[in-house]
Amino acid sequence: DTEVTQTPKHLVMGMTNKKSLKCEQHMGHRAMYWYKQKAKKPPELMFVYSYEKLSINESVPSRFSPECPNSSLLNLHLHALQPEDSALYLCASSPTAQPEDEQFFGPGTRLTVL
Amino acid sequence: AQSVSQHNHHVILSEAASLELGCNYSYGGTVNLFWYVQYPGQHLQLLLKYFSGDPLVKGIKGFEAEFIKSKFSFNLRKPSVQWSDTAEYFCAVYTGNQFYFGTGTSLTVIP
Repeated sequence: DTEVTQTPKHLVMGMTNKKSLKCEQHMGHRAMYWYKQKAKKPPELMFVYSYEKLSINESVPSRFSPECPNSSLLNLHLHALQPEDSALYLCASSPTAQPEDEQFFGPGTRLTVL
Repeated sequence: AQSVSQHNHHVILSEAASLELGCNYSYGGTVNLFWYVQYPGQHLQLLLKYFSGDPLVKGIKGFEAEFIKSKFSFNLRKPSVQWSDTAEYFCAVYTGNQFYFGTGTSLTVIP
């Protein structure tokens, strides 16, 4: 299995809702990433987990809360989001968090905040 | 602040034409460089990467890129494009503790 899967594919939520994005990989990778991509913009790194520990948090607002329950799963909990948070949220994984390791990307979750 | 620039936002070529996509970065230290491709409806995937050694790097599907340190550039090339190369191409730079993507270049190859 060489895929990174993400659920749901699409999510529409109100500003008072609480929802979660899920990411899963079964390649034995020990580094997992969350990116945010706005339309016609490049992906922007949000969080990096290395060996299930948060190693990089790129000054992301606290309304985004990552969680790595085990080496195969990565969640992004969402609460009290703003309309400007609407974007494509990409998950990626790599064997380790070393830069020479290729990152494998999932298809993304298209999030719309109303 | 560090940045990655891709000056060609949209490129249209006929099949068999040669391709060169520009990528420039602004960071004075050691960098690791990547080109990613996103085919329509598919995930981002790695085309090639440079870490050290030969500045001319060969990737998948006939792509290559040349790292020119003095010009802070890492341009992507392919001698003869095919219709199946139609995709979005992203240059990316790792600076040691940060990973940045460029704004992307949309390539359309006309049969």
